[in-house]
Amino acid sequence: QKEVEQNSGPLSVPEGAIASLNCTYSDRGSQSFFWYRQYSGKSPELIMFIYSNGDKEDGRFTAQLNKASQYVSLLIRDSQPSDSATYLCAVKANDYKLSFGAGTTVTVRA
Amino acid sequence: DADVTQTPRNRITKTGKRIMLECSQTKGHDRMYWYRQDPGLGLRLIYYSFDVKDINKGEISDGYSVSRQAQAKFSLSLESAIPNQTALYFCATSRRGSYEQYFGPGTRLTVT
Repeated sequence: QKEVEQNSGPLSVPEGAIASLNCTYSDRGSQSFFWYRQYSGKSPELIMFIYSNGDKEDGRFTAQLNKASQYVSLLIRDSQPSDSATYLCAVKANDYKLSFGAGTTVTVRA
Repeated sequence: DADVTQTPRNRITKTGKRIMLECSQTKGHDRMYWYRQDPGLGLRLIYYSFDVKDINKGEISDGYSVSRQAQAKFSLSLESAIPNQTALYFCATSRRGSYEQYFGPGTRLTVT
């Protein structure tokens, strides 16, 4: 079983809709969770992090964490064509190392 | 702007050649990491360094070596390149005490 699993997609959403991305992890002791955005041919860019159960909002992005169920999600509200990218979920394993999922590709249709 | 830079950005080399990828940062971060990215596999950690004298293997270190020449510089070497080392390589940095990592622009390496 992979440490961090994501649906690879592609997830296609119309402009203005909500994109919902999910990530599950295997290490119940994981404490810190991150979402990175990666445009094609570019490097990953940190967009959100969450450490506590519940929701965390930053602009059009909301991260949701449920440690009991071992999942973390990312909602993108009012999706724009510029949100078309691959979104990587990362989980702090130990010693400040991160384990990354393979990513979910999102396409926003204009 | 404080930044992470990687050289070269693209490299094509032949099987058996030695190659070095370089990473420099002006962020003042203590910790540096090397990852490779393959389609469908995500980012996998090759080596990481918490300071100049502390270097650790990641999950896929076989066939690779590293050198931390200074706080700001971390190099990755492939002693004898093989085709399945064809991948996108990223350097990343983080501050002491922080889990947030910041990535360089990547090096696309092709081994023929």
